[in-house]
Amino acid sequence: LAKTTQPISMDSYEGQEVNITCSHNNIATNDYITWYQQFPSQGPRFIIQGYKTKVTNEVASLFIPADRKSSTLSLPRVSLSDTAVYYCLLVSGTYKYIFGTGTRLKVLA
Amino acid sequence: EAQVTQNPRYLITVTGKKLTVTCSQNMNHEYMSWYRQDPGLGLRQIYYSMNVEVTDKGDVPEGYKVSRKEKRNFPLILESPSPNQTSLYFCASSKTSGRGYEQYFGPGTRLTVT
Repeated sequence: LAKTTQPISMDSYEGQEVNITCSHNNIATNDYITWYQQFPSQGPRFIIQGYKTKVTNEVASLFIPADRKSSTLSLPRVSLSDTAVYYCLLVSGTYKYIFGTGTRLKVLA
Repeated sequence: EAQVTQNPRYLITVTGKKLTVTCSQNMNHEYMSWYRQDPGLGLRQIYYSMNVEVTDKGDVPEGYKVSRKEKRNFPLILESPSPNQTSLYFCASSKTSGRGYEQYFGPGTRLTVT
């Protein structure tokens, strides 16, 4: 399974846009890029998924360049409640999930 | 309410005493999975199941067993727990149709093996 690389941690201020980039140089043709959010002592929560170009939902946007070797999760106007760990993972029909250690986002007042 | 439930939520046990952590989902999902989470290591997949009677190993299956006799239930069995299995365990489920990979996670089970 292809591995992903993310920054270990990021700090931001309330109201700012936060972009978390994930590198996945060995992504396979049938891999989808999926992002999860996890608060302390809770199970992860699905945020967004995409295959190519741009995907937007009510909480985030996901930007995927044409070569698909990286992706960027964009969180608009973050608040303190967005402080969490964010995981980028590649998923295909094998349904094996590799979460890694994620990016710890801290939103400051 | 659509949900994944796990029991117990907290468990303290001794080395070698067999235990089972139950997981149940009410969303008619085909896919179910178990993870463990340890500080500095993130979430690691233990076992997963694509449907009834179909299970497969994840990244860290040693010391664990699972069974999938009913679609809604996916218990995790530790036949002879050891201290290195002290961890936070999560069960998850999802559909397998289409290309949706949205997993729904349970609240977690914190296991301590002394």
